[in-house]
Amino acid sequence: EPEVTQTPSHQVTQMGQEVILRCVPISNHLYFYWYRQILGQKVEFLVSFYNNEISEKSEIFDDQFSVERPDGSNFTLKIRSTKLEDSAMYFCATTPGSYGANEKLFFGSGTQLSVL
Amino acid sequence: KQEVTQIPAALSVPEGENLVLNCSFTDSAIYNLQWFRQDPGKGLTSLLLIQSSQREQTSGRLNASLDKSSGRSTLYIAASQPGDSATYLCAAPNQAGTALIFGKGTTLSVSS
Repeated sequence: EPEVTQTPSHQVTQMGQEVILRCVPISNHLYFYWYRQILGQKVEFLVSFYNNEISEKSEIFDDQFSVERPDGSNFTLKIRSTKLEDSAMYFCATTPGSYGANEKLFFGSGTQLSVL
Repeated sequence: KQEVTQIPAALSVPEGENLVLNCSFTDSAIYNLQWFRQDPGKGLTSLLLIQSSQREQTSGRLNASLDKSSGRSTLYIAASQPGDSATYLCAAPNQAGTALIFGKGTTLSVSS
C-alpha cells in the first residue's frame, strides 16, 4: 500500500532554532495535513493544504509556523523559532481527493521533535 | 465546535474476549467518522471510515457503528488477540469538514 514518508524520524534542536520537517505525500493525493501529538495528549490539527495553498489552520498554527510544497513532491512544515512547548510528534497526513476530512486519512510515521 | 471524547481511557482484557470501545462527539452534523489504531511511537493507521448513511461498517473482526442522533460511535472488536494491543482513536470532522478532531483514545491491552 502507498505510504506517506516523513523525515527525519527524530529531530533534536535548541530553543530558538529553526526546524524543517519533511513529508513526501502519497502520489496523486490532493489534500495534505500536519497534525501534532504532545506526549500523552490528543492528536491536534495544525494546518491543511490544498491546491497549493493553506485551506485551514488552527489556533496553534501561528506566525512561527509555515508550510510549503517547494518542488511539487515534498511538503514541509517550518517552525521559525522553536519553543520548548513545540516538543511533540508531528504527523503528516494526506487524503486522495478534495473532500478533506470526509475521506480516509493516510498518516506518516511521524517526526519526534525535541526542543531543548 | 466539535469535541470528541472516548471512554474508557484504558482497557485490559484476556485474549478471546469481545469488547466495545466508545466514542462521543458534540457536533452531530457530520458525514462520517473514522477509527484509527496507533501503536506506541508510531503513526496512525485508519481502520474504518463509517459514513453517516451506513450506521455500521465492518472489517474482519472489527465493527464500527455510528448513531448521529445520539452523538455516539462504538468500535466492537471480536475475539481479541494480543496483537490488538494498541491505542484506538476516534475522529470526527470539524464543522467545515476540513480537519479531523481526535479523541484522546482508548489504550487496549490484550493478555495471552
